Amino acid sequence: EVQLLESGGGLVQPGGSLRLSCAASGFTFSNYVMNWFRQAPGKGLERVSAIIGSGDKTFYAGSVKGRFTISRDNSKNTLYLQMNSLRAEDTAIYYCAKSSPAAGTDCWGPGTLVSVSS
Amino acid sequence: QPVLTQSSSASASLGSSVKLTCTLSSGHSSYIIAWHQHQPGKAPRYLMKLEGSGSYNKGSGVPDRFSGSSSGADRYLTISNLQSEDEADYYCETWDSNTRVFGGGTKLTVL
Repeated sequence: EVQLLESGGGLVQPGGSLRLSCAASGFTFSNYVMNWFRQAPGKGLERVSAIIGSGDKTFYAGSVKGRFTISRDNSKNTLYLQMNSLRAEDTAIYYCAKSSPAAGTDCWGPGTLVSVSS
Repeated sequence: QPVLTQSSSASASLGSSVKLTCTLSSGHSSYIIAWHQHQPGKAPRYLMKLEGSGSYNKGSGVPDRFSGSSSGADRYLTISNLQSEDEADYYCETWDSNTRVFGGGTKLTVL
């Protein structure tokens, strides 16, 4: 069974940092594009960042470019999101998701809450 | 790159059917899309992959009440026998070798 499980969320002050992790199982992790999405209170889903299987190519939404860094460790089947210079508007539930070229984004994790507040 | 257009909201009565629409931008009418459901307080759920031919493949555990169809650049998600738990945001997604795009989502209210 394909499973994704995020961790690392929490309460952080503006300007602070957090590192999210997503543990993957049930599929050949290195073969798939992995994504971070978020949903802020009262807003829709936003794709924050993505990384191809090899880790050589990444995508960032304009709202996080220069502050967030996506990475992966294929030996540990784990996806990461390093979030620096956090702002109140980064408060959201962050979801890890797997994308397949054949089927779209076909698996989502349960999410982890990030709250940025003083 | 493709753009996906969805109505912001829809509503239908309990036990009835509703058809949600996702429209592909000009020049992208042949693209495959995926439908996702996002219920309040829950993780998003992959519903199905839907091709331009109207052929669709549902994700694991998706009820038979959910089906897909296509006409030109329009991709549809039909939910039959609406249940209260179907009240959610519904997003469509498309992709190619260079990009992945999501629609703005349709908020479905079950009356």
